[in-house]
Amino acid sequence: DVKVTQSSRYLVKRTGEKVFLECVQDMDHENMFWYRQDPGLGLRLIYFSYDVKMKEKGDIPEGYSVSREKKERFSLILESASTNQTSMYLCASGREFGGNQPQHFGDGTRLSIL
Amino acid sequence: AQKVTQAQTEISVVEKEDVTLDCVYETRDTTYYLFWYKQPPSGELVFLIRRNSFDEQNEISGRYSWNFQKSTSSFNFTITASQVVDSAVYFCALSEQVGGYNKLIFGAGTRLAVHP
Repeated sequence: DVKVTQSSRYLVKRTGEKVFLECVQDMDHENMFWYRQDPGLGLRLIYFSYDVKMKEKGDIPEGYSVSREKKERFSLILESASTNQTSMYLCASGREFGGNQPQHFGDGTRLSIL
Repeated sequence: AQKVTQAQTEISVVEKEDVTLDCVYETRDTTYYLFWYKQPPSGELVFLIRRNSFDEQNEISGRYSWNFQKSTSSFNFTITASQVVDSAVYFCALSEQVGGYNKLIFGAGTRLAVHP
């Protein structure tokens, strides 16, 4: 089975801090994704990556950046955390685009910014 | 714009009842894919089904069934004889092609509570 592992289930940080959320997948998937989940809004795509060192903006990239130095690891960075970034963050991975293969998700990181 | 609407925010049923979760989508693509995911309290989204736009056959998997109606742009999900373990948030999603890449557009989700 595909395993997508997010480094923390719960995280509490302060406004202005630089925050790193880590995600690792073990199935050699080309594509990786970061979403945030908010009540009533479903999942919204922040960034995705289709290859090492490649990245594309999703629907809500403002205030975030990403890093993909190795195929299995995709990091989400909050450059200067703000309270409106308090949310559940979900990482996903999937095989190449075009086949519309399903994405596989991690357990999520519930991030609180105080 | 591509859009997925799950009008039911929360549904509450008693065990063994049948329940249908609605999903309506909007797209200009002629080829597209629709998905259902389940999110139990543990948080991880679990893939349930994928359907492409050319396959309108209904699908059944155990107590789960899906009704895809292209004419009404709907992809509804029915759980027969619901169980407490079915309690979760269910998301419908639509694939969107953007610049050669496919990404998923999610609905807001339907929270299903099954009571004993």
